Amino acid sequence: GAVVSQHPSWVICKSGTSVKIECRSLDFQATTMFWYRQFPKQSLMLMATSNEGSKATYEQGVEKDKFLINHASLTLSTLTVTSAHPEDSSFYICSASRELDNEQFFGPGTRLTVL
Amino acid sequence: AQSVTQPDIHITVSEGASLELRCNYSYGATPYLFWYVQSPGQGLQLLLKYFSGDTLVQGIKGFEAEFKRSQSSFNLRKPSVHWSDAAEYFCAVAKGAQKLVFGQGTRLTINP
Repeated sequence: GAVVSQHPSWVICKSGTSVKIECRSLDFQATTMFWYRQFPKQSLMLMATSNEGSKATYEQGVEKDKFLINHASLTLSTLTVTSAHPEDSSFYICSASRELDNEQFFGPGTRLTVL
Repeated sequence: AQSVTQPDIHITVSEGASLELRCNYSYGATPYLFWYVQSPGQGLQLLLKYFSGDTLVQGIKGFEAEFKRSQSSFNLRKPSVHWSDAAEYFCAVAKGAQKLVFGQGTRLTINP
């Protein structure tokens, strides 16, 4: 149990377009979901925290108009990278906090490449 | 500000040898500490966590970690590594209710 999926696992897009990444908790309800960004050979950096039905809370330095987060249900959160640029190319990882015990479970990540 | 340091970027050990991955943290209060493992194509998996109580914590896959407040450390150990342990390992501290602050990661390579 406690599986988190992400879709797509990788995506290539042109500069200026928008890309949506989905994060789903498959077998549990997630009170809170988190979005991280990981650069090659580097650590995970928290981008934002989202709670179902409310606005996401963004970390300092993260552009909320560029990285739109929607948490429409207790099992689904989406991250939309708007007007993507090559510098947005990265590995995006989500995690979901299980309502039962607040333990976080991580998705496998989405590799975004912006040409 | 809370921070986590993993001094070793890359460690290589022989299969069957013992392992210790270092983690130092900076946190103003009693920390919640975690070790995660990241394998290619898979999400981060929790190996173990420390919230309070016994400072020696047992985790999955034969790993353990010891919390040493005096040294601000939470080192991960395994007495005998297997080739399948090759992966990236992250130490993390909980910031606030659930926000995780990760260390830089240590890549573990296993020699046959």
